[in-house]
Amino acid sequence: DAGITQSPRYKITETGRQVTLMCHQTWSHSYMFWYRQDLGHGLRLIYYSAAADITDKGEVPDGYVVSRSKTENFPLTLESATRSQTSVYFCASSGGSQGDQPQHFGDGTRLSIL
Amino acid sequence: AQKVTQAQTEISVVEKEDVTLDCVYETRDTTYYLFWYKQPPSGELVFLIRRNSFDEQNEISGRYSWNFQKSTSSFNFTITASQVVDSAVYFCALSEAGGYQKVTFGTGTKLQVIP
Repeated sequence: DAGITQSPRYKITETGRQVTLMCHQTWSHSYMFWYRQDLGHGLRLIYYSAAADITDKGEVPDGYVVSRSKTENFPLTLESATRSQTSVYFCASSGGSQGDQPQHFGDGTRLSIL
Repeated sequence: AQKVTQAQTEISVVEKEDVTLDCVYETRDTTYYLFWYKQPPSGELVFLIRRNSFDEQNEISGRYSWNFQKSTSSFNFTITASQVVDSAVYFCALSEAGGYQKVTFGTGTKLQVIP
């Protein structure tokens, strides 16, 4: 089925470990995004990508790394997880290039760092 | 820099009441786009509506309506005759036109509809 999928849905890990969240979309959308959602902060943009091999920082990029070797995949890596990175992470994609198209979101990954 | 303010953190209404969710935005651009998203208790984010800065016409879709006023930089969302299924967190978002698409979200308004 077409859409955007995130994996895993839930993840528990320990401080200092590396963890990668996966995001895959089947629409061939150019733009992809990673957000974190925390109580009181709404959705905050971590990184976004305009196309394969083009990525840029969002509002809260520290501690995260992204890559986009293929249009359909946009993994997010926490290189050395910290408790402050406990959050719900959403991946999104959009077919627009001028900011005019809505974003389509995955179901989210709930990440807990102990 | 762009900014979106949703001053109402939580709203509770009794079923069948009308409710308006406020959204105030800031941007220096003359071309921009406004969005509303719904996040039900199940957690997914669902797109509801988009409005561009050149179109101030209000929109109605069933029980939902949106009032866009550039003069007050507001894009308010009204639910008429609310239902329990409307219980969710609603996010307003702003996107400035340009080569790279970055969207700024408000902090959301949690709506609880009490049966």
